[in-house]
Amino acid sequence: AQSVTQPDIHITVSEGASLELRCNYSYGATPYLFWYVQSPGQGLQLLLKYFSGDTLVQGIKGFEAEFKRSQSSFNLRKPSVHWSDAAEYFCAVGETDSWGKLQFGAGTQVVVTP
Amino acid sequence: GAGVSQSPSNKVTEKGKDVELRCDPISGHTALYWYRQSLGQGLEFLIYFQGNSAPDKSGLPSDRFSAERTGGSVSTLTIQRTQQEDSAVYLCASSLARSDGYTFGSGTRLTVV
Repeated sequence: AQSVTQPDIHITVSEGASLELRCNYSYGATPYLFWYVQSPGQGLQLLLKYFSGDTLVQGIKGFEAEFKRSQSSFNLRKPSVHWSDAAEYFCAVGETDSWGKLQFGAGTQVVVTP
Repeated sequence: GAGVSQSPSNKVTEKGKDVELRCDPISGHTALYWYRQSLGQGLEFLIYFQGNSAPDKSGLPSDRFSAERTGGSVSTLTIQRTQQEDSAVYLCASSLARSDGYTFGSGTRLTVV
């Protein structure tokens, strides 16, 4: 069965500093990979996605993620965080050969300090 | 519509009562999903619709939970005889293609007192 691991439950970063959120997955083939962000009291918004092609994908709000097949990872990065990036971030994995559900990681809470 | 709409946004109910949660997906999106998010927890899959049929309902916690979708559009999640452990945010999402990911609604916050 597929699984998604986000090793960091909570990350604190200073405004203007870089941010990297880790995501590892377990799956037998190359899955669809997604990062979502959830601001307080809001639904989830899609930041970016990967399903084939260039392993470095660009998303909204200045985020990017890199798919590394050898490490079964899909880490999210931002070079310089803004206070508005404080939110919870979820990595998700989906099967490429079916419409089945996305498997979500447990989430990483990001706190941005002045 | 422009986005996924869920109603009500908040629901407080007494233990033992039945509740209905509604999801109106993006027009034309054939796939619809229900998830549950408990306080401090990740997203727990409940059920998936393709059109009006539910190929995967493996995440429904008990037979108190049921869902239907009509006209390939609106979906209703029904919880009978609510319990306190049912308190959570119920999220609905829809999708047009596998590679697109989901578009989520803002959720219904259910509180069982």
